[in-house]
Amino acid sequence: EVKLVESGGGLVQPGGSLRLSCATSGFTFTDYYMSWVRQPPGKALEWLGFIRNKANGYTTEYSASVKGRFTISRDNSQSILYLQMNTLRAEDSATYYCARERGNYDYAMDYWGQGTSVTVSS
Amino acid sequence: ENVLTQSPAIMSASPGEKVTMTCRASSSVSSSYLHWYQQKSGASPKLWIYSTSNLASGVPARFSGSGSGTSYSLTISSVEAEDAATYYCQQYSGYPWTFGGGTKLEIK
Repeated sequence: EVKLVESGGGLVQPGGSLRLSCATSGFTFTDYYMSWVRQPPGKALEWLGFIRNKANGYTTEYSASVKGRFTISRDNSQSILYLQMNTLRAEDSATYYCARERGNYDYAMDYWGQGTSVTVSS
Repeated sequence: ENVLTQSPAIMSASPGEKVTMTCRASSSVSSSYLHWYQQKSGASPKLWIYSTSNLASGVPARFSGSGSGTSYSLTISSVEAEDAATYYCQQYSGYPWTFGGGTKLEIK
C-alpha cells in the first residue's frame, strides 16, 4: 500500500524557517518524481515544485512564488521527501501536501499525503 | 504561466441530474497533460481523471472528461450525493504546473 505522511508543520514567525518531511512507503521511491503542493485556508491548490526521479538525476523545478526561498530534496535511503522553507511570509500560511507523480511522465499526481499545516504569524 | 479558469465556481445539482464543469486555459495544453482532482471538505485531493479522459482507479463510470487545446470539461452523467466536492483541473505545458480555482459541486 502506498503511503505518504507529512510532518513538521507548525507556527513560525515571519522571516523564520521550517523543514517539512514526507515519509513514504509502499513503492520504489527512487523511481518517482515527487511534488509539494499547498493550499491556503479556503483557497485553491498551488503547485510549489518537484524533484525528479533517479533516471532524471533528481533535479528540481520550482514555482516563481517560492524559487530561491524553498528547497526540495530527498533522502532516497529512507524514502523521505523534504521541503526546506526559508524567509517565511504570512502568505505562506497553508496546508502543505506532498504528492507522487504517477510515473508516466504525464505529471498527474496519483497519491497525496494528509497534509501538514503551516502558520506564519507573529 | 498558463492560467486555468474553472467555471462555474459553485454549482448545485439534484441527484440524478447531469452536470458539466469547464476548465479553460490561457494557452493550449496537450490533452495528455490535463488532469482533474476531487477534494472533499477536510480531505486531501484525489486524482480523479488523468490525461483528459482517463478515469483514475475507483472512479465511478458516471464521470467522464473531454476536451482539447484550451477547453476541457468534466461531466457527471447522473449526480449522486457522494459527488459533493470541489473539483480542480491541473495542467503541464511547461513550468509552473498550475491548478484552476476549483468548481464546488453542491448536492440539493
